[in-house]
Amino acid sequence: GENVEQHPSTLSVQEGDSAVIKCTYSDSASNYFPWYKQELGKGPQLIIDIRSNVGEKKDQRIAVTLNKTAKHFSLHITETQPEDSAVYFCAAVDNDYKLSFGAGTTVTVRA
Amino acid sequence: GAGVSQTPSNKVTEKGKYVELRCDPISGHTALYWYRQSLGQGPEFLIYFQGTGAADDSGLPNDRFFAVRPEGSVSTLKIQRTERGDSAVYLCASSLAGGPGDQYFGPGTRLLVL
Repeated sequence: GENVEQHPSTLSVQEGDSAVIKCTYSDSASNYFPWYKQELGKGPQLIIDIRSNVGEKKDQRIAVTLNKTAKHFSLHITETQPEDSAVYFCAAVDNDYKLSFGAGTTVTVRA
Repeated sequence: GAGVSQTPSNKVTEKGKYVELRCDPISGHTALYWYRQSLGQGPEFLIYFQGTGAADDSGLPNDRFFAVRPEGSVSTLKIQRTERGDSAVYLCASSLAGGPGDQYFGPGTRLLVL
């Protein structure tokens, strides 16, 4: 099955700086890579996703890049704000529907 | 518009008891998923329904766990003879048609087995 590794486990950034989270996956057949944001006491919320036929996708302050050859993908958050503080999970879909999640990154944005 | 809802939000039970956790998916979503999230970890897949049938139950940890979706909408996750190791957040997600696409998660049920 798919194995997703995520780094770093914690990330502290100054407000206005950028945050980068990196993930690697093991199954070359995986073709869909969503990112989720989870706030305390809530379920994961989809914030951006990328499919295997695209190398980069951007949505306002959030961007995701994918390198299929190296089997890694990254989340970039620019101009961070205090409300960006949360746990972020990367995931990869194998078997066409089964999400395999990374262990999460706790992002803290210092005001 | 209503998202995925789960009840109860919290459940405390004693070791050996039976529990049922309910999930109401987004209206019109044919695919429904259950995940389990332990403290400090990412969610782990349990079971996937397409319509009324369990298309993949390979993530259920053992035969104490069972899930149903009799009418293709609401789903119930059932845990028999609960153990302390079952304590976790149980998350439900739904998507429009299954396949590699958006899965929308509910807030989860926090289960504590004493």
